Amino acid sequence: QQQVKQSPQSLIVQKGGISIINCAYENTAFDYFPWYQQFPGKGPALLIAIRPDVSEKKEGRFTISFNKSAKQFSLHIMDSQPGDSATYFCAAVKRATSGTYKYIFGTGTRLKVLA
Amino acid sequence: DAGVTQSPTHLIKTRGQQVTLRCSPKSGHDTVSWYQQALGQGPQFIFQYYEEEERQRGNFPDRFSGHQFPNYSSELNVNALLLGDSALYLCASSEGWEGQPQHFGDGTRLSIL
Repeated sequence: QQQVKQSPQSLIVQKGGISIINCAYENTAFDYFPWYQQFPGKGPALLIAIRPDVSEKKEGRFTISFNKSAKQFSLHIMDSQPGDSATYFCAAVKRATSGTYKYIFGTGTRLKVLA
Repeated sequence: DAGVTQSPTHLIKTRGQQVTLRCSPKSGHDTVSWYQQALGQGPQFIFQYYEEEERQRGNFPDRFSGHQFPNYSSELNVNALLLGDSALYLCASSEGWEGQPQHFGDGTRLSIL
């Protein structure tokens, strides 16, 4: 069964620091790699995403780095703020035989940013 | 512009019962996917609907079934509930056959006693 392995399980960062979350996948046929942010009692919200033909994408304080040969991608949160405290999920998206897309999620990283 | 809406927000059932969860996709979206999220875990794909047909399915038993209506809204039905079915059930919608990116609702918290 295809998996996306996410680490660390939890992360504590000081305000203003850099938060780094890593994911690795096992299949080369993925088309899209999104990151989702989930607050307690809420559904996951799309944060940023990257396609495999790009090595890095930056949106504000959030950056995805993608290493196709290593089958790894990571989320960097610069200048981390207490409001960033949430659970972050990476996902790998592939086209299924039916023609639709299938999302495979990592197990999540619980980030706490200390004030 | 309303996002993905799910109902009810919370539900308590007993083992053996049946449950129906509902989802209205984001305006303009025609593809609906359902996920099960256990506490402390990532979402697990249940199935996806497009044009009122189930297009793909995850590794869930036949006790889990669904439906999509002409207005693109969807239902998730679970029969013969087990304690292990206790989870947050998430609905995600997307536009078109390409199916990305998915937008999630806030889920239905199902507790089985």
